[in-house]
Amino acid sequence: GAVVSQHPSRVICKSGTSVKIECRSLDFQATTMFWYRQFPKQSLMLMATSNEGSKATYEQGVEKDKFLINHASLTLSTLTVTSAHPEDSSFYICSAPRGGPRDEQFFGPGTRLTVL
Amino acid sequence: QKEVEQNSGPLSVPEGAIASLNCTYSDRGSQSFFWYRQYSGKSPELIMFIYSNGDKEDGRFTAQLNKASQYVSLLIRDSQPSDSATYLCAVNAGGTSYGKLTFGQGTILTVHP
Repeated sequence: GAVVSQHPSRVICKSGTSVKIECRSLDFQATTMFWYRQFPKQSLMLMATSNEGSKATYEQGVEKDKFLINHASLTLSTLTVTSAHPEDSSFYICSAPRGGPRDEQFFGPGTRLTVL
Repeated sequence: QKEVEQNSGPLSVPEGAIASLNCTYSDRGSQSFFWYRQYSGKSPELIMFIYSNGDKEDGRFTAQLNKASQYVSLLIRDSQPSDSATYLCAVNAGGTSYGKLTFGQGTILTVHP
């Protein structure tokens, strides 16, 4: 089946630093990828849609200057959390639709970000 | 009003019983419906998807969709302790929202031996 990977799986950083998270589709090309955030005991909230060859589209309330998204190729999207603060600590998960007409999506394993 | 709402749970069933998970959605134009299972600390994994009214069966899992009632459910037969997890209902509006999923809040299922 389709596989989506993320790196790193876990990161701890100091407040004010920037953190880059990579999302790769390993056996299929993804012109679109999605970034979600999940706080403890809550459901997944869509942050933004990453589009290969064009700008990302952000959901309402998500700061595009804080969460920089770059879809560098058909298999790679990166999310950079700039000037991270403790309230940004969360589980970040990417997903990619395999591209069929029914939009089956496959999720990466997630990245646990802890900002001290 | 939440766009996708699941029965609040937590739901506890004995091993071997049928677990019933329910989900309603507000966007009548929604096209695709998914059930994901999420273990603690892990990302969601797809269990089933359904697009057409009626039932869809896959092993011990049956998804049911009723677009007129804007309702989708998941039945788990012969529940096992390994089925204990959070179950997420997700809806894709389709069209210009290609691939964008809206998730319900999740239902925690516990299957006790």
